[in-house]
Amino acid sequence: AQSVAQPEDQVNVAEGNPLTVKCTYSVSGNPYLFWYVQYPNRGLQFLLKYITGDNLVKGSYGFEAEFNKSQTSFHLKKPSALVSDSALYFCAVRIGAFYTGTASKLTFGTGTRLQVTL
Amino acid sequence: DGGITQSPKYLFRKEGQNVTLSCEQNLNHDAMYWYRQDPGQGLRLIYYSQIVNDFQKGDIAEGYSVSREKKESFPLTVTSAQKNPTAFYLCASSFAGGYNEQFFGPGTRLTVL
Repeated sequence: AQSVAQPEDQVNVAEGNPLTVKCTYSVSGNPYLFWYVQYPNRGLQFLLKYITGDNLVKGSYGFEAEFNKSQTSFHLKKPSALVSDSALYFCAVRIGAFYTGTASKLTFGTGTRLQVTL
Repeated sequence: DGGITQSPKYLFRKEGQNVTLSCEQNLNHDAMYWYRQDPGQGLRLIYYSQIVNDFQKGDIAEGYSVSREKKESFPLTVTSAQKNPTAFYLCASSFAGGYNEQFFGPGTRLTVL
């Protein structure tokens, strides 16, 4: 079984301040981890992923995430928030393997709404 | 432009009717997926398909059906057996292999009248 937890329903940040959106996971094996962003009434956009290698992953729009195996976390970060970053953010996980025959079946968290204010 | 298209953007259904949501991709992806999104519940997987003429149930398949007759197309039918179909439906696709990210369409909002 695999699961993802996003413990905060909403995160509020002032523009220019650093932001963190938290994600913890549970899988019985090596995880593949993903972050997506969703703007109102739109589909999800891929931000970044961790497959293997460096624990710090850099993605689109200045976002990055740090994989921490001991804490089973994959928090999303950005050094300086913008008002335009306000959106719904989803973390997702699947069991890592080159190809398991089960496609890329992801389990998503419930989402964290990021509100950046002036 | 390459990408995933979903139609219609908004769909209204009367009780007891079946409706079909369209999903098309021109990314040459092998796998395609249907998700349902409800407020506060994140995304839940309805069906997925790895190759043409093959598909598997996801976590909430009851009341839904799919087909995969072409690589580019993965339509979803919401049947009258689905008790609470009002939701935002998202289609996605990816290359085979679990390390590949999924690309999402713009979604269809279904409302039951």
